[in-house]
Amino acid sequence: QQPVQSPQAVILREGEDAVINCSSSKALYSVHWYRQKHGEAPVFLMILLKGGEQKGHEKISASFNEKKQQSSLYLTASQLSYSGTYFCGTEISDNTDKLIFGTGTRLQVFP
Amino acid sequence: DAGVTQSPTHLIKTRGQQVTLRCSPKSGHDTVSWYQQALGQGPQFIFQYYEEEERQRGNFPDRFSGHQFPNYSSELNVNALLLGDSALYLCASSSFRDYEQYFGPGTRLTVT
Repeated sequence: QQPVQSPQAVILREGEDAVINCSSSKALYSVHWYRQKHGEAPVFLMILLKGGEQKGHEKISASFNEKKQQSSLYLTASQLSYSGTYFCGTEISDNTDKLIFGTGTRLQVFP
Repeated sequence: DAGVTQSPTHLIKTRGQQVTLRCSPKSGHDTVSWYQQALGQGPQFIFQYYEEEERQRGNFPDRFSGHQFPNYSSELNVNALLLGDSALYLCASSSFRDYEQYFGPGTRLTVT
């Protein structure tokens, strides 16, 4: 039931781009993306809702393919501050508010 | 505008003891969710409180219980602690059906 994220880890140089994928075995109502730095709380990045509505950061983009039950997070022109572990949180209906978090993707950006 | 706050920051307990963790939601939020995060894993949903009632519950035993107060703050109680309960406990607040959940800094619980 836990969404699977890929890749498990990414290493980038500053300015490079990355894509993180989240795949669920269940139909999804929404996908939430968070970034967590070591020893800190997860920080909300973006939410994508069934039907196309999105809310989130201006510099981060994402897509949500409802039919394939998949979401992708696009990090462009990466900065050192992008380093951390990225989690997708999925909601299977519009009546739960319960997030099932993915397996996580560790991103490291070097100068 | 204060964000989500949690107390205590760290806690060490012995197997079999009971523990209470506290959470104050972000101003304007009325819904509190609790998550358990083991080292290297994603957060796992424990339960959610809205209007002082438990709305949703994850796959956690009855040893895990909670409460929400009229001011929307919340407590998580864990009885008969096991070594496997050692984890970071996160509280997230939101405004009902506003989708965005904001996490607190967490309470690191160690059971020895």
